Amino acid sequence: DSGVTQTPKHLITATGQRVTLRCSPRSGDLSVYWYQQSLDQGLQFLIQYYNGEERAKGNILERFSAQQFPDLHSELNLSSLELGDSALYFCASSDTGLGNIQYFGAGTRLSVL
Amino acid sequence: GDSVTQMEGPVTLSEEAFLTINCTYTATGYPSLFWYVQYPGEGLQLLLKATKADDKGSNKGFEATYRKETTSFHLEKGSVQVSDSAVYFCALNSGGSNYKLTFGKGTLLTVNP
Repeated sequence: DSGVTQTPKHLITATGQRVTLRCSPRSGDLSVYWYQQSLDQGLQFLIQYYNGEERAKGNILERFSAQQFPDLHSELNLSSLELGDSALYFCASSDTGLGNIQYFGAGTRLSVL
Repeated sequence: GDSVTQMEGPVTLSEEAFLTINCTYTATGYPSLFWYVQYPGEGLQLLLKATKADDKGSNKGFEATYRKETTSFHLEKGSVQVSDSAVYFCALNSGGSNYKLTFGKGTLLTVNP
């Protein structure tokens, strides 16, 4: 158990809809990262938050947004969903002072029908 | 930009065989290098890491050496077990102001009894 909790485990929705994925980092970790894993693109970095502030952005679509709350949990919001958004979404957390190790949650599998 | 290239799979071995999964990288500066493992239906787990040239990371019988001259970080294990069947990802981060991971496409390893 990595200590990173993601909910829900599975999400099935329709095109055009909006969903929210939730991540609780390991106790004490200030950084949260979101990654998307798909068959064609592999594992891609989406966005990073550190102590409530956006730190870095990767290949994140404009239809996607994220935030980190004062209790350090994070949410990834995906809107106007398309079939191609079907993927596994992982959250990871780290204490950036401890050698860059990121601990991953079990992921949320999103299916857009 | 940063990139990681790892050998295409799938790789199928018999129990007790020797394993090598090749990984090469392109990065600015002096990246940290990682191998992550993903067991079926689970998130990614850190297998081993190395943070500077000539460092050897090791864990559970797996080893990888950070070779700056060849920009490589090949994963090896002397005698694989059925329980090692999983997808293996090589990854790096270049540090700086964020620690996002750049992943290779993953290599599926199947070990048969």
